[in-house]
Amino acid sequence: NAGVTQTPKFQVLKTGQSMTLQCAQDMNHNSMYWYRQDPGMGLRLIYYSASEGTTDKGEVPNGYNVSRLNKREFSLRLESAAPSQTSVYFCASSEQAGYGYTFGSGTRLTVV
Amino acid sequence: AQSVSQHNHHVILSEAASLELGCNYSYGGTVNLFWYVQYPGQHLQLLLKYFSGDPLVKGIKGFEAEFIKSKFSFNLRKPSVQWSDTAEYFCAGGGYQKVTFGTGTKLQVIP
Repeated sequence: NAGVTQTPKFQVLKTGQSMTLQCAQDMNHNSMYWYRQDPGMGLRLIYYSASEGTTDKGEVPNGYNVSRLNKREFSLRLESAAPSQTSVYFCASSEQAGYGYTFGSGTRLTVV
Repeated sequence: AQSVSQHNHHVILSEAASLELGCNYSYGGTVNLFWYVQYPGQHLQLLLKYFSGDPLVKGIKGFEAEFIKSKFSFNLRKPSVQWSDTAEYFCAGGGYQKVTFGTGTKLQVIP
């Protein structure tokens, strides 16, 4: 069982560059989420998709965009990376919004 | 606004000691509560969850948590910790749409 797959695992960007973080789940879950994890701050919700075809802002959406491409895939895009976006990014999915999450293995992003 | 607070940032215990990690939540409606564990270098894994019913919830690896509505608390417990329990523990809570995470408690178990 693959669960939630995130790519890439590591990435270094220069300030101003763009990139897309990919996330796919094979559990037929309806809801998908993007979080960032920073030391001492826990996990903060960037964007979520309660169901296919819908996306909503979370706690820290500025500087990010998302696409729910289909039921399986939910991508996160940084249009113009900034050093403040250096973080570990986790994608998660759940059968329904509010249920327990299954997390991906994370993407460690460094913006220099 | 909903919030989840974990007041213990770093806990150090000897093996076989009992564990209790605090979690308090603030939420205006029906709340679902969770505990997740993150082992070093790994992603978060669900330990246990509470939606309704019996306020004492048992999870994996011998962990349990008790929902006390009057205290807005959902503390995590384990009677006897092992070195392999060294990890960071996150309390989380939310309603239908999304879940808010606490800032985490790092547990270090000394052999």
